[in-house]
Formats: sequence, structure tokens, C-alpha cells
Amino acid sequence: AQKITQTQPGMFVQEKEAVTLDCTYDTSDQSYGLFWYKQPSSGEMIFLIYQGSYDEQNATEGRYSLNFQKARKSANLVISASQLGDSAMYFCAMREGYNDYKLSFGAGTTVTVRA
Amino acid sequence: DGGITQSPKYLFRKEGQNVTLSCEQNLNHDAMYWYRQDPGQGLRLIYYSQIVNDFQKGDIAEGYSVSREKKESFPLTVTSAQKNPTAFYLCASSIDGGGGSTDTQYFGPGTRLTVL
Repeated sequence: AQKITQTQPGMFVQEKEAVTLDCTYDTSDQSYGLFWYKQPSSGEMIFLIYQGSYDEQNATEGRYSLNFQKARKSANLVISASQLGDSAMYFCAMREGYNDYKLSFGAGTTVTVRA
Repeated sequence: DGGITQSPKYLFRKEGQNVTLSCEQNLNHDAMYWYRQDPGQGLRLIYYSQIVNDFQKGDIAEGYSVSREKKESFPLTVTSAQKNPTAFYLCASSIDGGGGSTDTQYFGPGTRLTVL
């Protein structure tokens, strides 16, 4: 079974608007971490935001926020005030357990920002 | 500047040849990782090292080998046993690889390997 599911292969968003990228996860661990990465066309993976399973508040980093719904096992990324430079592939990833190192990645969502 | 460097950016290999991809970090991180990315897909873990002179296989280690003789360096060799090596290879590092709430992995710029 897929540990991370990203159901939106591609999305278009108008500049200055907000966009929500879906991510659902599957784990039986109580302790886990959820990450979002951005991959522009250059290929480098850029860390955006982290949410721990025990964090009570939704994580925020500048224009990025994570809508964490634990009961639904979802960790959607919200990008506010989209900019042309936000056009990229976005990956959701999960690390399970407290002492595990491994990240499981979703298939990614391509975001294209239109002027 | 602190960061992770990978070289070369592009690499071409003939079938039957071994090639080595370089990964260096100056972040003073203990843990380093190698991932493979195929077109339209997420990343898959090849190898992982939590400490010098120690490393573990990831999900797709067959046909690959690594070494970790220095904390800063984690080279990946793609051997001739790897049946389909054409892919994008990403190296990452994290503080200690011990998991925990903030052990974030940071990535290098990647190497694109093409087998001719």
C-alpha cells in the first residue's frame, strides 16, 4: 500500500491566489513526521515545511502552511499569494517512528502559476 | 556557504561501465543519504549512512555501492549490475539520522545519469 498519496498530478493557479496541494498518508505509528519539499525544474529538492504528529498547531513557514488533519490522515500544503517562482513539483514525504531515518515520498504534484 | 554539492551535474555512461557520483557536505551532518528519482515519480532510497564507516541498504540498493570514509563525503557507485541506471540521483544529509521531530533531510542539486 502507498504510504503517501498525492492525488493531483498537476494544478494551475493564478498569480497572487492561494493553492492547496493534497497529501494523505498511511501509518500505524503514533509518532511520525510529515514534510513538504519543492522541486523546481533545476532538480534540487528544497525543504519547505515540517509537521510532527504530536504538534497541536498547524505548521507555518512564510507563505507556506500545513493543514494537518490527524484523524483524516491528511497533511495538505497551502501556498498563499502564489508567485511565478512557485511553479515547480511539490512532494509530500513522511518519516515513521521516532528512530527511523527513512522518508517515504509521494508521486508529487506539478504546480504552474499563471501571470 | 554551507551546503551539499554533487558532481558531476550530468553524467553519461556506456553499458557495462561503473561510474561514481560524488556527494560532499559541509553542514557537519552525521547522516547522509542517496535517492533515485525516475521521471514523474517520487524519490526512492538507495543507501543510508548514519556515521562514518557504516551504511545500510535502502529499498533499491541492488546494483549500487557506497563508502563513507569521511564525515563530509558519501560517494555512490553505480555498477554494471544495475539494470536500468538512467535516472536522476539526489544526495541528502541530516543532523544525525536518528529520526526525531526535527531531523530534516537537506538535498544537493542532483546528478543526471544517462546510460548510452
